Amino acid sequence: AQKVTQAQTEISVVEKEDVTLDCVYETRDTTYYLFWYKQPPSGELVFLIRRNSFDEQNEISGRYSWNFQKSTSSFNFTITASQVVDSAVYFCALSSSGYSTLTFGKGTMLLVS
Amino acid sequence: GAVVSQHPSRVICKSGTSVKIECRSLDFQATTMFWYRQFPKKSLMLMATSNEGSKATYEQGVEKDKFLINHASLTLSTLTVTSAHPEDSSFYICSAPLSGSYEQYFGPGTRLTVT
Repeated sequence: AQKVTQAQTEISVVEKEDVTLDCVYETRDTTYYLFWYKQPPSGELVFLIRRNSFDEQNEISGRYSWNFQKSTSSFNFTITASQVVDSAVYFCALSSSGYSTLTFGKGTMLLVS
Repeated sequence: GAVVSQHPSRVICKSGTSVKIECRSLDFQATTMFWYRQFPKKSLMLMATSNEGSKATYEQGVEKDKFLINHASLTLSTLTVTSAHPEDSSFYICSAPLSGSYEQYFGPGTRLTVT
């Protein structure tokens, strides 16, 4: 069975602070995909990133960066210099293939004030 | 990029009535679509996999007769909540994978309130 754990339920930061959202996953598959989605108050899920299990290279996109560590089964997400518009619920998700269903973590609500 | 739409975006209905939610892939064909349910401040839970031309596959604990799914065409899947009750009030989201891509495209969601 697959499982995604986002231990942080809610995080509050002040604008311009850096913040890291944790994600730990469990799977028996050797090939899998990890995702991060942003869900603003409107409810629509916004795709942020996809990473496959064979690519452990960290990625940076603007103020966003992701740290994938297979050794610890973690896929953490860092927002640098946070802004109020970053306030949302962030979900980490896992799938065993690109076409299969996603197993979501419980989400982390980020409040930037 | 690929777009998935849902209709309606919000619906309020009375207990005992049925509500149909549509999920459309606007610029690509989707032989498979997924239906998720999200309670307030909770995660998304997969309800069922909608398959074009065949029966939907339901997750454990999801009532097939209550949540009717029909994948009428390669661009349309519908979820009908039959004999709705207040506990069915939730945010329903569909998604569709784009063939040849590892990305799933999510609809904007439908907020159902049963009074």
